[in-house]
Amino acid sequence: KAGVTQTPRYLIKTRGQQVTLSCSPISGHRSVSWYQQTPGQGLQFLFEYFSETQRNKGNFPGRFSGRQFSNSRSEMNVSTLELGDSALYLCASSLAATLDTEAFFGQGTRLTVV
Amino acid sequence: ELKVEQNPLFLSMQEGKNYTIYCNYSTTSDRLYWYRQDPGKSLESLFVLLSNGAVKQEGRLMASLDTKARLSTLHITAAVHDLSATYFCAGYTMNRDDKIIFGKGTRLHILP
Repeated sequence: KAGVTQTPRYLIKTRGQQVTLSCSPISGHRSVSWYQQTPGQGLQFLFEYFSETQRNKGNFPGRFSGRQFSNSRSEMNVSTLELGDSALYLCASSLAATLDTEAFFGQGTRLTVV
Repeated sequence: ELKVEQNPLFLSMQEGKNYTIYCNYSTTSDRLYWYRQDPGKSLESLFVLLSNGAVKQEGRLMASLDTKARLSTLHITAAVHDLSATYFCAGYTMNRDDKIIFGKGTRLHILP
């Protein structure tokens, strides 16, 4: 059974640009959550999608957005990149909407903003 | 809002020793998760603890949950070098802001 797939794995962008990250959940999983991981702040929740609807959003500026498609794949977009957006972005998928089941994480996309 | 605190944040120990990582959380958490992360890698799910008194074991790792004390522990028995990693606990509250909140992680280094 394939795991959670994130693309690309590595990305280098310059300040002011925008970026789109992709996450394909485990087959059959309908919930996708996104997290930002930095050495200083640790793992911080960005948002969660279930059945194409954003259910929850963390405390991030509006430059961070996402969406989920009918096949449960999700994309995350960051506009007007800042140096502080450099981080490992992880997505997690789970069966149910309320994360009452195990969440499986992808390998992450390491974004470097220069 | 749920806050999760782990201690210690760094731990260096010798092979063969036992140790415990502590995870305290601030408000009611409906679930308690433990994850492992190797350098440069993603998070691997270790345990999901659902109720008070829950205890789960996998190999040399054992996790427990005391909801009254708002405390979960991850106990390592007879540590081996392969267990060197960062361990995260995370809580989850089932309310309108339900989301998983992670602790800062415990970086565990096991010396041969």
